[in-house]
Amino acid sequence: QITLKESGPTLVKPTQTLTLTCTFSGFSLSTSGVGVGWIRQPPGKALEWLALIYWDDDKRYSPSLKSRLTITKDTSKNQVVLTMTNMDPVDTATYYCAHRRRLYCSSTSCYSAFDIWGQGTMVTVSS
Amino acid sequence: DIQMTQSPSSVSASVGDRVTITCRASQGISSWLAWYQQKPGKAPKLLIYAASSLQSGVPSRFSGSGSGTDFTLTISSLQPEDFATYYCQQANSFPFAFGPGTKVDIK
Repeated sequence: QITLKESGPTLVKPTQTLTLTCTFSGFSLSTSGVGVGWIRQPPGKALEWLALIYWDDDKRYSPSLKSRLTITKDTSKNQVVLTMTNMDPVDTATYYCAHRRRLYCSSTSCYSAFDIWGQGTMVTVSS
Repeated sequence: DIQMTQSPSSVSASVGDRVTITCRASQGISSWLAWYQQKPGKAPKLLIYAASSLQSGVPSRFSGSGSGTDFTLTISSLQPEDFATYYCQQANSFPFAFGPGTKVDIK
């Protein structure tokens, strides 16, 4: 059974750096095709994809936030860490981590999706 | 970057109704589309991947179709537990993008 759980501060001040940890079980981030992503959701608003790290350490970021984001993995600890610098009140949101894997392969492509999500952690940015 | 739109933004429906939600990509994404269901205060749940493949454990009243730029999610007979917000998401290219969501509420 795959589970993921986000942890980190619930309140950060503007200009501070946010560090969130996704601790997971039931899979290995060294398995081919597997990734862990971060997605956030401001109160009452839509989902926004932030970053994704793959089993081979390939890292992808949202271009609008790339300068502020860093995603890393610790395979031995079963953790993925997201840091976001220079926090602003507009970054107030619930932050989710999610497991990504290949779910279907045709003759030409393998299709992946975020199939298991953590419960999310609410982060408020306020002085 | 690929932009995703959804219509309608909200729909009021009754139990037993057939509900169809449309998602459109700003450029072709082949079948690289997933649908998620989110209930208030909960994490999203994967319903459909590869545009039309039903995720394990998801009831068969949910179905997805489309390819290229136009996609639909259909709930064939709405059940009480289906009242939620639904998001599409493209994974054809980075950055991944979610649609703005469609809220399905009780009529």
